[in-house]
Amino acid sequence: AQSVTQPDIHITVSEGASLELRCNYSYGATPYLFWYVQSPGQGLQLLLKYFSGDTLVQGIKGFEAEFKRSQSSFNLRKPSVHWSDAAEYFCAVVRQDGGSQGNLIFGKGTKLSVKP
Amino acid sequence: NAGVMQNPRHLVRRRGQEARLRCSPMKGHSHVYWYRQLPEEGLKFMVYLQKENIIDESGMPKERFSAEFPKEGPSILRIQQVVRGDSAAYFCASSGGAQGLYGYTFGSGTRLTVV
Repeated sequence: AQSVTQPDIHITVSEGASLELRCNYSYGATPYLFWYVQSPGQGLQLLLKYFSGDTLVQGIKGFEAEFKRSQSSFNLRKPSVHWSDAAEYFCAVVRQDGGSQGNLIFGKGTKLSVKP
Repeated sequence: NAGVMQNPRHLVRRRGQEARLRCSPMKGHSHVYWYRQLPEEGLKFMVYLQKENIIDESGMPKERFSAEFPKEGPSILRIQQVVRGDSAAYFCASSGGAQGLYGYTFGSGTRLTVV
């Protein structure tokens, strides 16, 4: 069955430092991948998505992600973190492994804290 | 162009009562997905509906939970005889096509508290 793994439950970075959040997926064919951000008590906001084409995807708020098929990864990056980036980040993949398809399978999330 | 609207934002129910959660998809979207988020967990898929049809309810508990998306009006997630374990945030997402090829838009969620 398809799955998404976010190995880091909680990450703390200093403001201005670079950030990389890890995401690994399991699926043999080309996955449809997403990164969402959730602030406390809020809904999910789409940061970026990958369906095909260029493996480096640009998103909103200065985020980017790189799809690496050989590593089954879709890591999220930002060169310089701002205090307002503190939130929880979810990686997700569209279910495509049979039966009804189209819903999202989410990782458990990575909570980002930003030190001043 | 309103996004996905969910109401109520917060809902408190006593054990044994019924909870009704509403979701109005984005204009032009005919695919609706419900997810549940338990504390410290990611979102878990519950049910996928199109207008008047349940496409996939494999993530829905077999008892007490039901969902509908009528021809007119919002999608409804109904939980009968709520228990403490139903306390969670429930999110609705809508999409303009299958497999989310046109993207998914999430609502702000309904936070259900069972007391």
